[in-house]
Amino acid sequence: AQKITQTQPGMFVQEKEAVTLDCTYDTSDQSYGLFWYKQPSSGEMIFLIYQGSYDEQNATEGRYSLNFQKARKSANLVISASQLGDSAMYFCAMRETSRSNDYKLSFGAGTTVTVRA
Amino acid sequence: DTGVSQDPRHKITKRGQNVTFRCDPISEHNRLYWYRQTLGQGPEFLTYFQNEAQLEKSRLLSDRFSAERPKGSFSTLEIQRTEQGDSAMYLCASSSGANVYEQYFGPGTRLTVT
Repeated sequence: AQKITQTQPGMFVQEKEAVTLDCTYDTSDQSYGLFWYKQPSSGEMIFLIYQGSYDEQNATEGRYSLNFQKARKSANLVISASQLGDSAMYFCAMRETSRSNDYKLSFGAGTTVTVRA
Repeated sequence: DTGVSQDPRHKITKRGQNVTFRCDPISEHNRLYWYRQTLGQGPEFLTYFQNEAQLEKSRLLSDRFSAERPKGSFSTLEIQRTEQGDSAMYLCASSSGANVYEQYFGPGTRLTVT
């Protein structure tokens, strides 16, 4: 079963505007972590932001914030004040932590963001 | 401060040949992961090492695939008798025991099987 669902294959956003990327997840674990990564055309995966399932506040890192709605099992990424350099593929990922040695990430299919000048 | 490095960055091989990829993690990281990413998809987990011990292997890792991390530092991923379906980006990532939340990824090795 798909653990991470990203329903937006591609999005266009105007420079300096905000964009929200959707992510829903499926897990029966009580303890888990949610991640967002950016993958530019060069191919390298760049870590953006992390949210733990027990964190009460939404995570923020600079222009990135994670809108965590636990009951709805959603972890949307908000990029504020978009810049041309934000054009990339964005992946939502989850780590389920019920097994102490299980650190692998499960990724969604990704959303391509194109920022227009 | 050097990040995760992978070699080669690109590999073109003919079907049936063997290929080997290398990953050098960040020096103090004891955990190392391999993922495979096909075009238009997110990465899929292949295998994971803690130090030199291979703790988990995905069902995606057929008998033609083998991974090693002999001294708990660099790792190699070998694919024997390559098939066209093996064409993908192979990503390596590492993380430390102090901060398991953040996996640092290398630039990947893009494999094309002709």
